[in-house]
Amino acid sequence: KAGVTQTPRYLIKTRGQQVTLSCSPISGHRSVSWYQQTPGQGLQFLFEYFSETQRNKGNFPGRFSGRQFSNSRSEMNVSTLELGDSALYLCASSPEETGGTDTQYFGPGTRLTVL
Amino acid sequence: SQQGEEDPQALSIQEGENATMNCSYKTSINNLQWYRQNSGRGLVHLILIRSNEREKHSGRLRVTLDTSKKSSSLLITASRAADTASYFCATDPGGYSTLTFGKGTMLLVSP
Repeated sequence: KAGVTQTPRYLIKTRGQQVTLSCSPISGHRSVSWYQQTPGQGLQFLFEYFSETQRNKGNFPGRFSGRQFSNSRSEMNVSTLELGDSALYLCASSPEETGGTDTQYFGPGTRLTVL
Repeated sequence: SQQGEEDPQALSIQEGENATMNCSYKTSINNLQWYRQNSGRGLVHLILIRSNEREKHSGRLRVTLDTSKKSSSLLITASRAADTASYFCATDPGGYSTLTFGKGTMLLVSP
């Protein structure tokens, strides 16, 4: 099976812009989670989707949003970008119903740089 | 905030030596997982140990879990240069929740 794919891999934006990142989970996986990774804060959970419903949400401002489509593909959007949003954004999928805490299969990440 | 805290933050060893990393956490857990991350890339799942297990092996990896001390350790035996990476523990508090990751241990294995 193909692994988790994320597009784009690299992105450079300026403050105030918005960005949309995409994630395609492993075929058959219905749970998709998003994480933000920075050197200072480490890996922080953004949100988890299961069957098109947001099941869990981390402690991030409303500028961060996401959605999941019927084919389990997911997107996350960040509006009004700030310098501090520069990070590696990781998507992970899991096959199980309790997907948020089962073995996570990670994509390669999208490196976002905000100038 | 991070539930798991890895120790040490960084570890440098020679090929062939064993590497031990520790993880401490604060609340009760359903399971604990270890992941590896090569520089700037996605994480790879290594091993999952459930709260009712004390030890688990996978190839050169050995994980222990002590729920009374709220701690876990990851041992990599006979390290190789290819083991150079960051290692993270992640805790599952149970229910339809999410994993909480520690800040990781950076392991450098020199040839």
